[in-house]
Amino acid sequence: SQTIHQWPATLVQPVGSPLSLECTVEGTSNPNLYWYRQAAGRGLQLLFYSVGIGQISSEVPQNLSASRPQDRQFILSSKKLLLSDSGFYLCALGRDRGYRYTFGSGTRLTVV
Amino acid sequence: DQQVKQNSPSLSVQEGRISILNCDYTNSMFDYFLWYKKYPAEGPTFLISISSIKDKNEDGRFTVFLNKSAKHLSLHIVPSQPGDSAVYFCAAYSNQAGTALIFGKGTTLSVSS
Repeated sequence: SQTIHQWPATLVQPVGSPLSLECTVEGTSNPNLYWYRQAAGRGLQLLFYSVGIGQISSEVPQNLSASRPQDRQFILSSKKLLLSDSGFYLCALGRDRGYRYTFGSGTRLTVV
Repeated sequence: DQQVKQNSPSLSVQEGRISILNCDYTNSMFDYFLWYKKYPAEGPTFLISISSIKDKNEDGRFTVFLNKSAKHLSLHIVPSQPGDSAVYFCAAYSNQAGTALIFGKGTTLSVSS
C-alpha cells in the first residue's frame, strides 16, 4: 500500500533562517507529488507539484522552492524564512490523472 | 480568484441531526468533486467523491449532491456524530494533465452530544 512520510512534525524557526522539509513515499512508483500549505483563514493552498524527477511546477510565487531529487522524494525549501511562511505544510501523493490524494501527517512551521 | 468556495467557516449541529456542508465552484470544466476531512495536526483524509456526470453519491452516513447548473455541491451527514467534528474541505479536480486538486477554505463542523 502507498504510504507517505513527512517530517518533522513541528518546527520553530527564526525569521531569516533556512528551511528544509522532506517528504518521501513508499509503495508506488512515479507518483505525482504535491506541497500544500494550510494557513489561517486560507484553506489548503497548493504551493508546488511534481510529475517526475526534476520536474517542478510552482503555483504561488514566494520565497519557497521545491525539488524532486529522486522519484519518491520531494523537498520544500527556503533560503530565508518570513513570518508569513508560518503554517501547516502538507505533502500529498497522487497517481497520474488520479483525483484521490494521500496526504502526509503534516509539519507545523512557526516562524518567530 | 477562488475556484472553489466554502462560504461557511463553521457549522454547529447536535448529535443525531443532519449536517449539511456547502460548496460552490466557478469552473464548469471540473471532472470530479471531493470532500476531505481533517482533524487538527493531521493530514486530510479522503471522505467521498462524485463525478461531474452524477448528481448524487452515497456512502453510509455520507451523501454528496451535485447541482451542475448551480455549480453547487453539498455534503450531508446523517446522523451526525461527535466524532464527525473536524474541518471539511471541498475539492475539485480536472482530468486535464498538469493540474492538481483545488481546495476550498474549509468548514469546521462541531457536533455536540
